Order: sequence, then structure tokens, then C-alpha cells
Amino acid sequence: KAGVTQTPRYLIKTRGQQVTLSCSPISGHRSVSWYQQTPGQGLQFLFEYFSETQRNKGNFPGRFSGRQFSNSRSEMNVSTLELGDSALYLCASSLEQLMNTEAFFGQGTRLTVV
Amino acid sequence: AQSVTQLGSHVSVSEGALVLLRCNYSSSVPPYLFWYVQYPNQGLQLLLKYTSAATLVKGINGFEAEFKKSETSFHLTKPSAHMSDAAEYFCAMVIAAGTALIFGKGTTLSVSS
Repeated sequence: KAGVTQTPRYLIKTRGQQVTLSCSPISGHRSVSWYQQTPGQGLQFLFEYFSETQRNKGNFPGRFSGRQFSNSRSEMNVSTLELGDSALYLCASSLEQLMNTEAFFGQGTRLTVV
Repeated sequence: AQSVTQLGSHVSVSEGALVLLRCNYSSSVPPYLFWYVQYPNQGLQLLLKYTSAATLVKGINGFEAEFKKSETSFHLTKPSAHMSDAAEYFCAMVIAAGTALIFGKGTTLSVSS
């Protein structure tokens, strides 16, 4: 059974540009969550999508957005990149709500903003 | 406010020694609690989870954790450390259905021979 796949693994972007990250969840999983991991702030929740609807959102500016497609694949977009957006972005998929099931994480996309 | 606190950002042990990683939570409702491990340049892997059944939870790779409501703690232990246990460990909680994982800041475990 394939795990959670995130592409690309590494990205270097220039301040002011925008970027799109992709996440393919485990087959059959309907929930996809995104987290930002930085040395200073640790793991912070960005948003969660369930059956193409954003179900939950963290405390991030509107420059961070996402969507989920009918096949449960999800994309995350960051516009007008800032140096502080440099981080490891992790995607997690689960069958349903986290109190009833386990979240499986991808290897992440390492974004560097220069 | 709901939060997870991991005491000690870095723990060093010798191979064969007891591993103890501390986690305390703050929640107004009974939480579900998790321990995850992250190896360099990898995602997070679930070690174990507490879901209000047994207070002593056994996980993978010989790890276990005990939920203590009176102390609001969920410390992770392993009787004998192995070199391969060197990694970063995260304690996390979920407080309600449909909500996200709330993570602690993480503890880096170093194991020396």
C-alpha cells in the first residue's frame, strides 16, 4: 500500500514568488491536513480538507491557501513568498476524523525562500 | 488554552539505558494523545496513541507511554535505548473530533555508545 506522497521534495523560490505543493494521500483516505514545521515554531497546523471541503483552518495569513480534488489529492499554495515561509511542509492523510483513526505523514516538501 | 509541553528539547542517553521523554498537556476536555518520531529528512511516524482505553499504551519499537490524568502527563519510555532510536520525538493531542493535531515543540534524543 503506497504511503503519502509529497512533491516536490525540495524547492527553492525567490521572495515575492508563489509556490504550489502537492500531496497524494493514501488510497481511500478522505482527509488531508497540512502542517508547517520550522525550528523556531515547531509543527503548526495550516488547514485540513475532507471530501473537497476545508474543514479546519489554522492561524496563518491568507497567503496560504489550499484545495482538495475529487480524488482526495491536495495542493497547497503560498503567494507572495516571504523569507519566513522557509520551512518543511508536511501533509498528513487519514481515513476520517483523527479521534477515530491515525494520521499518516508524507516525507514533506522542504521550501527555501531566498 | 489547549497546549502540549515537552520538557527538555534535548535528551542524551547511553545505549542500553532507560529512555524517558516527558510530555504534559493542557486541555479542558479529555484528549487523545499521541507520540510521533521523526528521523532526519523524513515525515512523522506514529509510535503510539492513547484513546481513553488503557492508561498504559504500548507502541512500536519497544516504546510505551502512561497516561496520568492527575498529572496531565503522557511520558514516553523505553527500557533500553538503541542507537537507532536517535531521532526527534513529538507529543501531540487531539481534543475533539474533526480538529487538528496540536504538537509539542519536540525532543531530540541522542544515543551514545
